[in-house]
Amino acid sequence: GQQLNQSPQSMFIQEGEDVSMNCTSSSIFNTWLWYKQDPGEGPVLLIALYKAGELTSNGRLTAQFGITRKDSFLNISASIPSDVGIYFCAGQLRFGNEKLTFGTGTRLTIIP
Amino acid sequence: EAEVAQSPRYKITEKSQAVAFWCDPISGHATLYWYRQILGQGPELLVQFQDESVVDDSQLPKDRFSAERLKGVDSTLKIQPAELGDSAMYLCASSPRGLATQYFGPGTRLTVL
Repeated sequence: GQQLNQSPQSMFIQEGEDVSMNCTSSSIFNTWLWYKQDPGEGPVLLIALYKAGELTSNGRLTAQFGITRKDSFLNISASIPSDVGIYFCAGQLRFGNEKLTFGTGTRLTIIP
Repeated sequence: EAEVAQSPRYKITEKSQAVAFWCDPISGHATLYWYRQILGQGPELLVQFQDESVVDDSQLPKDRFSAERLKGVDSTLKIQPAELGDSAMYLCASSPRGLATQYFGPGTRLTVL
């Protein structure tokens, strides 16, 4: 099935660094969601975005709904060890259909 | 905090055997989804229910997979017979009626030997 393009595919950072990742598509999306998944667990919802240009924060996490509605961005400030995991973006293509299209994931690793 | 429940968490079976997974969505959520996730990839939708009705099962391999949500609450996903290629994480999610904001359960890790 169709998947969104996430970038970068993986990141290796030191504790305390800021992190940026994005998700892009050739299609317009009506809703963007960001999830974090730990090994062996289900994805956990981090942030939901519903309007173009919307900027939403959840603690050290900030996400933005791109103005073109074809992309979204997630930033993590001052990374800590528990931020390690895989981050997925997901988008809703059409109102009235709750089906989500998922990104390919960004794997975040913190170097000691 | 309300959560999506899934069982079992892990299942090991031999090929050609039947397996079944159970999901209990967040109370009041009308929409329930079953996903399959291959290691290193994003979840892929198998089937979507609205209440007790199937909304989308276009990606469900219907020759061996079946899903039901008889009373519009909990749901069961069955594979019969299991094949080696079915080894994956099976995730259940639910969302409130009309919203795409989906909440996932912890998943069932299936290994087919």
